[in-house]
Amino acid sequence: AQKVTQAQTEISVVEKEDVTLDCVYETRDTTYYLFWYKQPPSGELVFLIRRNSFDEQNEISGRYSWNFQKSTSSFNFTITASQVVDSAVYFCALISNSGNTPLVFGKGTRLSVIA
Amino acid sequence: DADVTQTPRNRITKTGKRIMLECSQTKGHDRMYWYRQDPGLGLRLIYYSFDVKDINKGEISDGYSVSRQAQAKFSLSLESAIPNQTALYFCATSPPTSGSPLYNEQFFGPGTRLTVL
Repeated sequence: AQKVTQAQTEISVVEKEDVTLDCVYETRDTTYYLFWYKQPPSGELVFLIRRNSFDEQNEISGRYSWNFQKSTSSFNFTITASQVVDSAVYFCALISNSGNTPLVFGKGTRLSVIA
Repeated sequence: DADVTQTPRNRITKTGKRIMLECSQTKGHDRMYWYRQDPGLGLRLIYYSFDVKDINKGEISDGYSVSRQAQAKFSLSLESAIPNQTALYFCATSPPTSGSPLYNEQFFGPGTRLTVL
């Protein structure tokens, strides 16, 4: 069975601080994809990143960076110099590359950035 | 226009009423999904469909039914709504084959906020 754990339910930081959101996953598949989605207060789900299990390179996109480590089954997300607009619920998700099983979500981490 | 649309966006209903939530997509994807989001529980899968003739139960299908009327349309029904079905409902689509660079990525609709009194 596949499982995604986001142990941090809520995080609160002061603007301009760096913050890391943890994601730990479980799967028996050797090939899979990992995702991060952002859900701002308006409610829609915003796709942030997709990572193939064969690609362990870290990725940086502006203030966002992702650290994928297969050895620890983790796909952590860091926001550098956080801003109030980063306040949202962030979801990590996993899907098998077989394509025959749906996306499995973590329970989400609510990030509050205080001005 | 949005690629994945959901109607209605908000609905308030009473216990025992039949409710249908509709999802339409213009992305040409074969695969469609219905999720439910409750605070602190993330998104949980209700039903999914890999093509028009394929319907599969998800993690929490009890109390729900679906209809895949066409490739572009996937409806979710609550035959007799109850208060604990109050939640935010998302429809999603995804491409069908590994040949697509977007393989396995899901595209979400804007959500339907349902309140059952």
